[in-house]
Amino acid sequence: EAQVTQNPRYLITVTGKKLTVTCSQNMNHEYMSWYRQDPGLGLRQIYYSMNVEVTDKGDVPEGYKVSRKEKRNFPLILESPSPNQTSLYFCASSFQRGNTEAFFGQGTRLTVV
Amino acid sequence: ILNVEQSPQSLHVQEGDSTNFTCSFPSSNFYALHWYRWETAKSPEALFVMTLNGDEKKKGRISATLNTKEGYSYLYIKGSQPEDSATYLCAFGRTDKLIFGTGTRLQVFP
Repeated sequence: EAQVTQNPRYLITVTGKKLTVTCSQNMNHEYMSWYRQDPGLGLRQIYYSMNVEVTDKGDVPEGYKVSRKEKRNFPLILESPSPNQTSLYFCASSFQRGNTEAFFGQGTRLTVV
Repeated sequence: ILNVEQSPQSLHVQEGDSTNFTCSFPSSNFYALHWYRWETAKSPEALFVMTLNGDEKKKGRISATLNTKEGYSYLYIKGSQPEDSATYLCAFGRTDKLIFGTGTRLQVFP
């Protein structure tokens, strides 16, 4: 089954404790991206990757890192989480960048206390 | 800053009613326009991706139209059912990313 798998689904952590949210897709998509969803705002792009070892900042990259060592995986790293990073996060992948449908992971609800 | 605007923000309709929502986007440098359906506690799922002015797409009772010259797209739902209750997102596709609107939240009452 074609899918994007994100883990964990829910996470409560403390300020400053490094964490990683994993994302994996099995559709051989080149393009992957991370979004955050906050109340009253649309999905905002954090980082994206056009291929292995190619990553770039989205609209809200501060406080986040990503890596793309393999085509299927695109982890999101929060080196020192802060309460303003409490949000719902989605990973997405697509065959091409803007004109093919995006497939979304199940979402990760992160709370930083 | 590119803005993608969706209206209305929310909508409550009775089962059987037909409804429609609007997505407005920049009319210059158009590349693609996406519609997604997002049910509570699930992830967004693609309904349509449209790339040509005048495109009309249909999936069951849901259809969408596209006007790239004036920068708008309409999503129509014919004979709404309770299972249509969801947030409907549109996204303006650029060559580097998608820019999402804030969505229209639809609730269909039996």
